[in-house]
Amino acid sequence: DAKTTQPNSMESNEEEPVHLPCNHSTISGTDYIHWYRQLPSQGPEYVIHGLTSNVNNRMASLAIAEDRKSSTLILHRATLRDAAVYYCILIRGTSYGKLTFGQGTILTVHP
Amino acid sequence: NAGVMQNPRHLVRRRGQEARLRCSPMKGHSHVYWYRQLPEEGLKFMVYLQKENIIDESGMPKERFSAEFPKEGPSILRIQQVVRGDSAAYFCASSPPGQGAANEKLFFGSGTQLSVL
Repeated sequence: DAKTTQPNSMESNEEEPVHLPCNHSTISGTDYIHWYRQLPSQGPEYVIHGLTSNVNNRMASLAIAEDRKSSTLILHRATLRDAAVYYCILIRGTSYGKLTFGQGTILTVHP
Repeated sequence: NAGVMQNPRHLVRRRGQEARLRCSPMKGHSHVYWYRQLPEEGLKFMVYLQKENIIDESGMPKERFSAEFPKEGPSILRIQQVVRGDSAAYFCASSPPGQGAANEKLFFGSGTQLSVL
């Protein structure tokens, strides 16, 4: 699977938007972009995923660059409960649930 | 609809003992995945099972580790003769039949924290 690059850590204040970037310059045409997050002492939790178009759900938005070499996870109003490690993962279209987790981005939310 | 259930939540074993970790997937899910998270490391895929079949065990250590997902009952990850290096959080995930994970999501359990003394 293609590699992703994320900042090690980011900080935000409560109630403010957060933009978490992910670079995936070697992405292939059939790779889906998935985001999971892991809260302390919990298993990973699905956040959002997309292929080419921007996506919105109740948790977040996913903005995908036109060339698909990067994407941004957007939390519109950060809460303390959003403090977690966020993972950007590419999954090939023919693949199954064998996810390759990198180090992710540790998001700290300040009250 | 209950989520993925793992038990026990915490498991303490002495070196040389056996550890059995259980995972009940979400209702209707027939695909199970096991992941391991060593201290200060990321999650690593271990094995992918469907009912009564091991599909991909490329991430499983060759010795002492085994996994099963019987027709009835939970999936079991078994570690024989545990060593201190097996201390980690073990997570199970499930997905429904017939889906390609690329366009769907996995549901993870809360994990079993294994501590080997």
